Amino acid sequence: AQSVTQLGSHVSVSEGALVLLRCNYSSSVPPYLFWYVQYPNQGLQLLLKYTSAATLVKGINGFEAEFKKSETSFHLTKPSAHMSDAAEYFCAVSDSGNTGKLIFGQGTTLQVKP
Amino acid sequence: DAGVTQSPTHLIKTRGQQVTLRCSPKSGHDTVSWYQQALGQGPQFIFQYYEEEERQRGNFPDRFSGHQFPNYSSELNVNALLLGDSALYLCASSLGQLSAYEQYFGPGTRLTVT
Repeated sequence: AQSVTQLGSHVSVSEGALVLLRCNYSSSVPPYLFWYVQYPNQGLQLLLKYTSAATLVKGINGFEAEFKKSETSFHLTKPSAHMSDAAEYFCAVSDSGNTGKLIFGQGTTLQVKP
Repeated sequence: DAGVTQSPTHLIKTRGQQVTLRCSPKSGHDTVSWYQQALGQGPQFIFQYYEEEERQRGNFPDRFSGHQFPNYSSELNVNALLLGDSALYLCASSLGQLSAYEQYFGPGTRLTVT
C-alpha cells in the first residue's frame, strides 16, 4: 500500500526565510503527488500537484515542489515566508490504480515568526 | 460559482446514535469523496461515489455508509457512533474518478461524539 511520510510535525521559520517542508512517499509506480494547505477551521486547498510532467512543479502563493524519483521525495519550498503562510500543510499521494483515492501524510504545522 | 458545501458545520451526538452529513459538490463535478480527519492527523479516505455508486472504499467499517443522488450531492451516514468517530469529516469533489483530477475540499463537518 502507498504511504506518505512528512518529516517534522512542526516547522518554525522567520518571516522572509526559506520554507522547506519534507515529504517522502512509497510507490512502486510513478504516482500523482499533491500538496494541500489547511488554515484553521477550513478545508484543504490545493497548492500544487505532480502528474508526471515537469519534475519541478510551481503552485500558488509562490510555493513549488520538486519530484525526485531516486529519493522518492516531493519536498515543498518557498523562497521567502510570509506571516500568512502559517498553516497546516499536507502531502498526499494517489493510491495505485489511479482511482482518485488520496493517501495523506500526518501534516506539518508551519509557524512563521515576525 | 459556489465551491463544495457541507452541512451541518458542527454536530454533537451521543454514543450509539446515528448521524447523517451532507455534501454538495462544486458545480460541474460528478465525483464525491469523503475523508475523516482526526485531531492532529491527516485526512483518511472513507469512500468515493461516482454515478450514484460507491466506487472505492477505505479501511472503514460498515457502520460508515453513503449515498449519491442524481444531482451528484452526497450523504455520509455513520451508525452506532463511537467516541473514536469524533473528527472533522471532509467532502471533496472532482470532475471524475481519476487521481489526476483535482479534488476540491469543503470546509468540513466537525462531529463530536460524547
